[in-house]
Amino acid sequence: GDSVTQMEGPVTLSEEAFLTINCTYTATGYPSLFWYVQYPGEGLQLLLKATKADDKGSNKGFEATYRKETTSFHLEKGSVQVSDSAVYFCALCNFNKFYFGSGTKLNVKP
Amino acid sequence: DGGITQSPKYLFRKEGQNVTLSCEQNLNHDAMYWYRQDPGQGLRLIYYSQIVNDFQKGDIAEGYSVSREKKESFPLTVTSAQKNPTAFYLCASNKGGQLVTEAFFGQGTRLTVV
Repeated sequence: GDSVTQMEGPVTLSEEAFLTINCTYTATGYPSLFWYVQYPGEGLQLLLKATKADDKGSNKGFEATYRKETTSFHLEKGSVQVSDSAVYFCALCNFNKFYFGSGTKLNVKP
Repeated sequence: DGGITQSPKYLFRKEGQNVTLSCEQNLNHDAMYWYRQDPGQGLRLIYYSQIVNDFQKGDIAEGYSVSREKKESFPLTVTSAQKNPTAFYLCASNKGGQLVTEAFFGQGTRLTVV
């Protein structure tokens, strides 16, 4: 069945460091891919999305490229801030069903 | 403002009692979803509904029930048959149909069995 695998955390970085959170997926057909962010005690908020191969989603300095050949959708940011500390979820949507990774907690230290 | 509202934010239940979690959306979305999140884990799908008066079981439906009598509402009942109900519950919606769009989430309900 469809599934998403993302790197385990926590990931701890200093402010202004480069961030990569790896995400790979397994799916039939042509899923859409998403990154969501969750702050403590809250629901998930959409960070960015890509609906077809080679699309690049971007928002608030975060980027991810839909790579069909490697079935990946890695999240990157060139310079993280303390306010980026949160849990990040990679997700796919196929036939209108969503599948989520287990989440990666990011801690950014000043 | 359009959005998806879950209530209550915190809920306490005694063992053996059923409890219903509310989820309302004013986004005119056809599809609605319920997920369970346990500490340090991802989201697991409980039930989903693609259209009014229809719903399907997700991966962990045992001990839960839902209804979809109105487009705007998708309440989840946690029954006494659910052996470990303490968790964070998230409701989501999206447009559904052939066009794949992102899911919008509510703020969640934290259920604790005491």
